[in-house]
Amino acid sequence: AQSVTQLGSHVSVSEGALVLLRCNYSSSVPPYLFWYVQYPNQGLQLLLKYTSAATLVKGINGFEAEFKKSETSFHLTKPSAHMSDAAEYFCAVSKAGNQFYFGTGTSLTVIP
Amino acid sequence: NAGVTQTPKFRVLKTGQSMTLLCAQDMNHEYMYWYRQDPGMGLRLIHYSVGEGTTAKGEVPDGYNVSRLKKQNFLLGLESAAPSQTSVYFCASKGTGNQPQHFGDGTRLSIL
Repeated sequence: AQSVTQLGSHVSVSEGALVLLRCNYSSSVPPYLFWYVQYPNQGLQLLLKYTSAATLVKGINGFEAEFKKSETSFHLTKPSAHMSDAAEYFCAVSKAGNQFYFGTGTSLTVIP
Repeated sequence: NAGVTQTPKFRVLKTGQSMTLLCAQDMNHEYMYWYRQDPGMGLRLIHYSVGEGTTAKGEVPDGYNVSRLKKQNFLLGLESAAPSQTSVYFCASKGTGNQPQHFGDGTRLSIL
């Protein structure tokens, strides 16, 4: 069975500080992994995806994530937080490409 | 380029009433999904479809029915609404292969 764990339902960072949002997955086979962002009253937008090519994946808005098989992790990072990064972030895993399993989300607050 | 469109955007129902949520996509995607989003629980899959005329149950299908009579549309029905079905409902679609999902902006449904 697939599952995704996002550690920390709320993360606060200062503007300009490093953003680190954690995601761990459980999967019996190499999965496909995604990070989505959700702004208030909107749907989810794709930030980046890992599909077994490079382990370091670059996404939109300066975000990137590294796939670490040994740690079963796919943490999301951004070197310098911006006020516009405040949103809800979801990690998702897919094995066969049909069904997706989402984490419970991490709400990011950026402090000016 | 509309992407995924959900109607209505807001609705208030009384317990026991029925209604249908409509999802339309203009990307010729094979796969379509209905999720519900509740605080602290992330997105939970209600039903999904892998092609026109097909439907399958997800994680939380009870109390809901779906139909995919046309490739571009995926309907979610509530037969007899209950307060526990108060939620934000998201529709998503994706193409074949390991592609990410594209989401609508959601339908906010309150059951009184």
